[in-house]
Amino acid sequence: GQQVMQIPQYQHVQEGEDFTTYCNSSTTLSNIQWYKQRPGGHPVFLIQLVKSGEVKKQKRLTFQFGEAKKNSSLHITATQTTDVGTYFCAEYSSASKIIFGSGTRLSIRP
Amino acid sequence: DVKVTQSSRYLVKRTGEKVFLECVQDMDHENMFWYRQDPGLGLRLIYFSYDVKMKEKGDIPEGYSVSREKKERFSLILESASTNQTSMYLCASSAKYEQYFGPGTRLTVT
Repeated sequence: GQQVMQIPQYQHVQEGEDFTTYCNSSTTLSNIQWYKQRPGGHPVFLIQLVKSGEVKKQKRLTFQFGEAKKNSSLHITATQTTDVGTYFCAEYSSASKIIFGSGTRLSIRP
Repeated sequence: DVKVTQSSRYLVKRTGEKVFLECVQDMDHENMFWYRQDPGLGLRLIYFSYDVKMKEKGDIPEGYSVSREKKERFSLILESASTNQTSMYLCASSAKYEQYFGPGTRLTVT
C-alpha cells in the first residue's frame, strides 16, 4: 500500500538551532498534512498542503510541498523548548482515512 | 472546541481477556478512527468508520473488532487480548480532512 517515509527518525538540537524533517513518497501525493505530538500528548493537526510547490508559514515553522508532489518538508527556525515533540507527516486519502509517516522525534538541549 | 474522549488513560489486562476501549466525540463528526502507536512505527490504522453501523478495516485489523452503534461513539474490542497488543491506542474523529485525536489509552497486556 501507499507508504510515506519520514526522516530522520530522531533529531537532537541545541536550542536556537534550526530543524528540518522530510517526508518522501514513491508515488504522487494528493496532499500532505503535518501533525505535532508533544511528549505524553496526542497528535494535533498543524497544516495541510495541496498544491505543487506550495509553501506555507506559521511563525517559525515553514512547510513545503515538492513540485512533483512526492515530498514535503517542515523547517523550524531557531528552535525553542516548546518545539519538543514528534512531528508526523501524513496523506489524507479519498477514503477519508489518513496514512501517517513514522514521525521525527525532536529533542532540544536548553 | 472539538472534544474526543477515551474511557481510560491506562489499562492493564491479562492475556485472553476481552477488552473494550471506548471513544466518544462531541462534534457530530461522521468519521471515526482507531490507531495504535508503537515506537518507531508511527500511527497505524486499525479500523475506521464513516457512518453509524459502518466499519472499514485499516492496515492492521487482525485481533480487533469495532462497534459503532451511535454516531458519537466508536468502540474498539480486543476479543482475546495478547501481549503483542500492548500499545498506545488513539481514537480520532473528523468531518473533513483534519483529524482530532483523543488523549490515548495505554494498554498493557500481561
